[in-house]
Amino acid sequence: GDSVTQTEGPVTVSESESLIINCTYSATSIAYPNLFWYVRYPGEGLQLLLKVITAGQKGSSRGFEATYNKETTSFHLQKASVQESDSAVYYCALGNTEGADRLTFGKGTQLIIQP
Amino acid sequence: DMKVTQMPRYLIKRMGENVLLECGQDMSHETMYWYRQDPGLGLQLIYISYDVDSNSEGDIPKGYRVSRKKREHFSLILDSAKTNQTSVYFCASSFGGRAETLYFGSGTRLTVL
Repeated sequence: GDSVTQTEGPVTVSESESLIINCTYSATSIAYPNLFWYVRYPGEGLQLLLKVITAGQKGSSRGFEATYNKETTSFHLQKASVQESDSAVYYCALGNTEGADRLTFGKGTQLIIQP
Repeated sequence: DMKVTQMPRYLIKRMGENVLLECGQDMSHETMYWYRQDPGLGLQLIYISYDVDSNSEGDIPKGYRVSRKKREHFSLILDSAKTNQTSVYFCASSFGGRAETLYFGSGTRLTVL
C-alpha cells in the first residue's frame, strides 16, 4: 500500500533559523499522487498548509514551501526563518488521484520553536 | 463560517460501555471521514461517508460503526468499547469524493479504562 515517512519529532529550532522537515513517499496505487502538508496548531484540528498535484511543481504558503520531486519521491517542507507561532505538528500526506477518496498520512512531526 | 465541530473534546469510558462521538460541519460537504491517531502512528482512516446513508469502510473499521442521517452530521459509534480503542479521533469533511482539501475538527480524546 501507499506510505509516507517524515522526520521524527520533536524538532526544536530557534526563532529566525531555517527549517526543513523531510517527507518521502511510496505510492503503489498510482505513479503521481497528490501531495499535501497539513498542520495542527495546539488545540485545533488539522488544516491544509499547502498542496501540489503536479510533479516538479512547488507549493508555498505562510512562508513555507515544498517541491514535489518524483525522482526522489520526496516532498520536504522548508522555511527560511521560523517564528514562534510556527510551533505545531506537521503532517505530510499523499492522495490518490484515480478516483479514490482517501489520504495516507505520515506520523506527524512536532515542531518546537524556541524564542 | 467553515467549521467542523466535534463533541465531546474529552471522554472517559469503561471497557464494555457504548461510545458515541459526534461530528458536525456547516459547509454542506458531501464527504465526511473518521480518523484515529495513536502515538507514533499516522492518522488511520476508520470510515468514509459519501452522503446520507452512503458509508464505506476505511482501513481499520473493525469495532466501529457509523451513522449519517443528515448531510451535516456524522457519528462514530463504538459498541462495547475496548481499551485498545483509546485514541484521539478526528472527524473531517471535504467537497465531493476526491480527497482534496480536508477540513478537520479539533479531535476527541477518548480513554477507555
